[in-house]
Formats: sequence, C-alpha cells, structure tokens
Amino acid sequence: EAQVTQNPRYLITVTGKKLTVTCSQNMNHEYMSWYRQDPGLGLRQIYYSMNVEVTDKGDVPEGYKVSRKEKRNFPLILESPSPNQTSLYFCASSPGTGIFETQYFGPGTRLLVL
Amino acid sequence: LAKTTQPISMDSYEGQEVNITCSHNNIATNDYITWYQQFPSQGPRFIIQGYKTKVTNEVASLFIPADRKSSTLSLPRVSLSDTAVYYCLVGDPYNFNKFYFGSGTKLNVKP
Repeated sequence: EAQVTQNPRYLITVTGKKLTVTCSQNMNHEYMSWYRQDPGLGLRQIYYSMNVEVTDKGDVPEGYKVSRKEKRNFPLILESPSPNQTSLYFCASSPGTGIFETQYFGPGTRLLVL
Repeated sequence: LAKTTQPISMDSYEGQEVNITCSHNNIATNDYITWYQQFPSQGPRFIIQGYKTKVTNEVASLFIPADRKSSTLSLPRVSLSDTAVYYCLVGDPYNFNKFYFGSGTKLNVKP
C-alpha cells in the first residue's frame, strides 16, 4: 500500500532532550516536506527536500534540522526541544515539486514538550 | 508566492451547497489555484485545482473569475462528513517549492 509513515505517533518529552521523528514513504517520491500545525496558525512548512541531499527551509525552520540521505526517508530532528515546539507534525511527499503535484500526508505526530 | 485570505469558519446544514471563497489579489500570471481538505487529526488531501473559469470533479467545483483575484470552492449537497478545514493555495507550477497553507476555513456541517 502506498503510504507515508511517521514514528512515533505520540511523544511526550522534556525540554532539551534531543529527539527524532522519522518519516518514510514507499512511493519513490522526490519531494518530501515537514509541517507543523497549531491552533489558529494553520499548517506551516518547516523544511522541504526536493531530492536526496537537497533540503531547504520552509516558513518556520528555527529549532529544527532535517536530513535526506535516502530517497524514502526524511527525519525531523529537534536537537534541544522547547515547549513552543509542542505541536502536531505532519510529513508529506509528492512525486515532484510544483503545485501540480499532489502531496500525500502521513498520519501525524503529536508532540508535547514539558 | 501569492498570499491567500479565507474566512476563518463557516456553518452549513446537510444537503446545502457550500461556497468557500479565497482571495488572492496578487496572483501572478503563471499561478494555479489548488484546494486541500483536512479532517481532524489527519493530514490534508488534494481536492481540486484550476487556472481559470470552472473546473469540476467528483468532489467539488472550482470557480475562478476572469481577473483571477479570487476563487470559490463549491461543495454540492454537503453531508456531516464534509466537516473539515479547507485550504486554498496559489503558486507557479514551474517555480513552486514552498507550500503556504495558511489557516484555512473551518466548515461545520450541522444535521
């Protein structure tokens, strides 16, 4: 089944404890992206990657890192999480860049930073 | 990247037609308009896309006036399952790497 998977789905952590949220897609998509969703602020793009070893900042990249060493994986790294990073995170992928390309979203990861 | 403006929320009743308007005053010549739907606790999913006039698929219709400064997503005969957030995006398909979803429009369908 074609899908985007994220792990973990739920995570509670403490300030400053490094964490990684994994994202994997099995559709051989070139474009992958991370978003965070907060009440009243909608869906905001954190980072995106147009292909292996190519990443770029979205609208809210501060406090996050990403890497794209393989086409299928695009992990989101929080080196030193803070409470303002408590949010719902979505990973997405699409066959290529461009608004023509439909993005496929993962199920989401709900993160709470204490 | 053209900024979009949508109403924060809308209410409707089952069986009614719902029209959600998106304003994009600074839309560029090459920009296309795309709408996504998001159910609670799920990621958004593509609904419809267009450049001008009218586009229709099995889910919705998209109306774009001649000046293209706005667009209207039309959902015919909504049901409770259409309760969701609807996002309007605008971008040049040949130069579109960043996605700006904004806050979207929360549609609440009542019985």
